[in-house]
Amino acid sequence: DAGVTQSPTHLIKTRGQQVTLRCSPKSGHDTVCWYQQALGQGPQFIFQYYEEEERQRGNFPDRFSGHQFPNYSSELNVNALLLGDSALYLCASSLAVTSGRVYNEQFFGPGTRLTVL
Amino acid sequence: GDSVTQMEGPVTLSEEAFLTINCTYTATGYPSLFWYVQYPGEGLQLLLKATKADDKGSNKGFEATYRKETTSFHLEKGSVQVSDSAVYFCALSLKAPDGGSQGNLIFGKGTKLSVKP
Repeated sequence: DAGVTQSPTHLIKTRGQQVTLRCSPKSGHDTVCWYQQALGQGPQFIFQYYEEEERQRGNFPDRFSGHQFPNYSSELNVNALLLGDSALYLCASSLAVTSGRVYNEQFFGPGTRLTVL
Repeated sequence: GDSVTQMEGPVTLSEEAFLTINCTYTATGYPSLFWYVQYPGEGLQLLLKATKADDKGSNKGFEATYRKETTSFHLEKGSVQVSDSAVYFCALSLKAPDGGSQGNLIFGKGTKLSVKP
């Protein structure tokens, strides 16, 4: 049973560029959350997708956007990259039980390391 | 706002030593509490969890008890091994009105543990 997978593993971009990161949830899961983990910090919640809609959002600017596809996979897009966007981006999947209410356990992928020069 | 505070690292111990990593939280209502572990180059793995006051989560020799009166969820292990070397994150998830999790996790900054043979 494949766990959460993310691609690419590493990515290098320059300021002002745009980037797309991808996530495939664990088999049987339908909800995806994205987190940003800066070096030496804990992950920060970006947003959650369920039924192809953004259901919750953390304190991140509109430059961060996402999408969920009918097969539950998800993309995270970041526009107009800043140096401060350099981080490990983590995707976590889980199974919603009631109208998008996510029940406790999220399974995390290995992350995508984004470096902005 | 809702937050998690955990002890600063790094923590360096000898094999078979006793481990305590302190974690306290601030949250509205009664959240679910978690400990995640991140091994080098990997994503986060759920170590243990507790969903209500006085619950004790345990896994792989690690334990933590949900203390409502002190808003704490300290991680303990009686005898650490070199293989326990990793970064440990304390996290909380707020409860939705129907009792489920709201889905997004709020993390502490992490505590790096190094165990020497």
